[in-house]
Amino acid sequence: KAGVTQTPRYLIKTRGQQVTLSCSPISGHRSVSWYQQTPGQGLQFLFEYFSETQRNKGNFPGRFSGRQFSNSRSEMNVSTLELGDSALYLCASSGTGTLTDTQYFGPGTRLTVL
Amino acid sequence: AQTVTQSQPEMSVQEAETVTLSCTYDTSESDYYLFWYKQPPSRQMILVIRQEAYKQQNATENRFSVNFQKAAKSFSLKISDSQLGDAAMYFCAYRSALSGGSNYKLTFGKGTLLTVNP
Repeated sequence: KAGVTQTPRYLIKTRGQQVTLSCSPISGHRSVSWYQQTPGQGLQFLFEYFSETQRNKGNFPGRFSGRQFSNSRSEMNVSTLELGDSALYLCASSGTGTLTDTQYFGPGTRLTVL
Repeated sequence: AQTVTQSQPEMSVQEAETVTLSCTYDTSESDYYLFWYKQPPSRQMILVIRQEAYKQQNATENRFSVNFQKAAKSFSLKISDSQLGDAAMYFCAYRSALSGGSNYKLTFGKGTLLTVNP
């Protein structure tokens, strides 16, 4: 089975722009979560989707948004980029979306904001 | 809110030796899951081992085992016969087992960078 894939792998943007990141979960997985990883703050939860519904959202400003499509693929969008948004954005998928699931991570998208 | 603390930012071990990484957590819940994830340099994060809080038996996966002390809220990872490929950042993570939208997330510690010396 193919793993979690994320595109693009690297992005360079300037302040004020917006960006869209994509995540394709493992085939058959219905839950997708997003995390931001920075050296200072570590791994922080952004949001989680299951069957196209956002079930949980982390403590991030409204500039961070996401969605999930009927095929379970997910996108996250960051508008009005700030320097502090530079980070590795990780996507994780799990099968049934229950709390017993294990999350499997993708390789991440490295976003640099200049 | 739950918190996860990894008190060792960096650790090193000689190849073939044993090393233990520490993790403590704070929660008022009685049922939850604990995980150790490994993130090699510039590579994907992968699951090392998982522990269900209701299980008294410590989880084991080949050379990796945990020491789960529920009362002490401690969850350490022991790596036996360390190999060069074990060099990575190791993250301890917590997830609630209570149903509810706010629980569908992992809470991570800051990580421990493990160096394996030949």
